[in-house]
Amino acid sequence: AQTVTQSQPEMSVQEAETVTLSCTYDTSESDYYLFWYKQPPSRQMILVIRQEAYKQQNATENRFSVNFQKAAKSFSLKISDSQLGDAAMYFCAYTVPDRGSTLGRLYFGRGTQLTVWP
Amino acid sequence: EAQVTQNPRYLITVTGKKLTVTCSQNMNHEYMSWYRQDPGLGLRQIYYSMNVEVTDKGDVPEGYKVSRKEKRNFPLILESPSPNQTSLYFCASSPLTGIRYGYTFGSGTRLTVV
Repeated sequence: AQTVTQSQPEMSVQEAETVTLSCTYDTSESDYYLFWYKQPPSRQMILVIRQEAYKQQNATENRFSVNFQKAAKSFSLKISDSQLGDAAMYFCAYTVPDRGSTLGRLYFGRGTQLTVWP
Repeated sequence: EAQVTQNPRYLITVTGKKLTVTCSQNMNHEYMSWYRQDPGLGLRQIYYSMNVEVTDKGDVPEGYKVSRKEKRNFPLILESPSPNQTSLYFCASSPLTGIRYGYTFGSGTRLTVV
């Protein structure tokens, strides 16, 4: 079974501090892509960052970076210099792009609700 | 503007009354999909389509139907809604060759079945 586990249903951080959201996944495939999506109260699903499994270098997008540990099947998201606008539900997800009948399916975790305190 | 448009944004209906949630994309994407989001469960795929007239079940297809008669449209049909279909629904699309870059999501439809 393809699964994604986010073990922290809720997290909080002080403005300007750093927070790390955890994610582990389970797949037997070697080629896949990992994502973090942000869902603010507006409900819109916003892609924050993506990582290609064949790349060892961790992806970075401004204040957002990941720690990708392929052997451990771990994909954590680090938010630096947290801002009030970072408050949202964060979903970890992955897809296996060339896999037959499940082509294109995004497997999501259950989400981590991030609160940012001023 | 490239986007996925879902309608309606909110819908309250009664058990058994057929309804359709529309989804349209203007990016010429081949791949379209419906997800439902429930608290504590994340997003789960209902149905997907790889192109016109090609659809298939996702993880939670029971009680839903879809059709893909045109490339841009992918409506979700609930022929006899029940309260356990109360959920937040998302339509998403992607080029078949671009799924590795993630989906473009619609704004969501909050459905309540009473």
